[in-house]
Amino acid sequence: DAGITQSPRHKVTETGTPVTLRCHQTENHRYMYWYRQDPGHGLRLIHYSYGVKDTDKGEVSDGYSVSRSKTEDFLLTLESATSSQTSVYFCAITEVQGVGTEAFFGQGTRLTVV
Amino acid sequence: AQSVTQPDIHITVSEGASLELRCNYSYGATPYLFWYVQSPGQGLQLLLKYFSGDTLVQGIKGFEAEFKRSQSSFNLRKPSVHWSDAAEYFCAVGTTSGTYKYIFGTGTRLKVLA
Repeated sequence: DAGITQSPRHKVTETGTPVTLRCHQTENHRYMYWYRQDPGHGLRLIHYSYGVKDTDKGEVSDGYSVSRSKTEDFLLTLESATSSQTSVYFCAITEVQGVGTEAFFGQGTRLTVV
Repeated sequence: AQSVTQPDIHITVSEGASLELRCNYSYGATPYLFWYVQSPGQGLQLLLKYFSGDTLVQGIKGFEAEFKRSQSSFNLRKPSVHWSDAAEYFCAVGTTSGTYKYIFGTGTRLKVLA
């Protein structure tokens, strides 16, 4: 199994509070991704990183920010949590060694905003 | 725009019956295609992938998929379903224009009847 750890695994927070989710990898992979999973929507890309301090937006980035100061850590911050951000968040990594490299996923973080 | 369509939200089959899950993609270049499986409360596990060569690819757990460029499809098949195959299945395309990202379909939830 790929060495990916997401923390926390579960969190309940109040509307309007900031929340930070952490993804930690031990594989030294270049690419890291944050997805959210919602019924009927599958997995949607929030933000991704292609190197330290190199990040870009995905399709559902509004209300989220990310940071990557070290290869192994990719942080997702909800600046002011809203109920629409209640979801399961997955981190994924890949090295892109040539073509067709797959993504490896963490176990997910279930976030509830009340 | 790049997209992945999984037209079947739910599929129910009897144990021992054959299975086909449909996936269609929209992508301008040569696609890198993946099927993932997700058991309840778990992350995503790669079943198989295609990036070149033989259009029929074999994966884990007895699954196979066939890439048909003319139909923009990458359907997943299994000749005989086991009760343990009940899960959610996601088709994904890996994009290579610029940075590397994965676009997922909305998923198909498989129920297996004993």
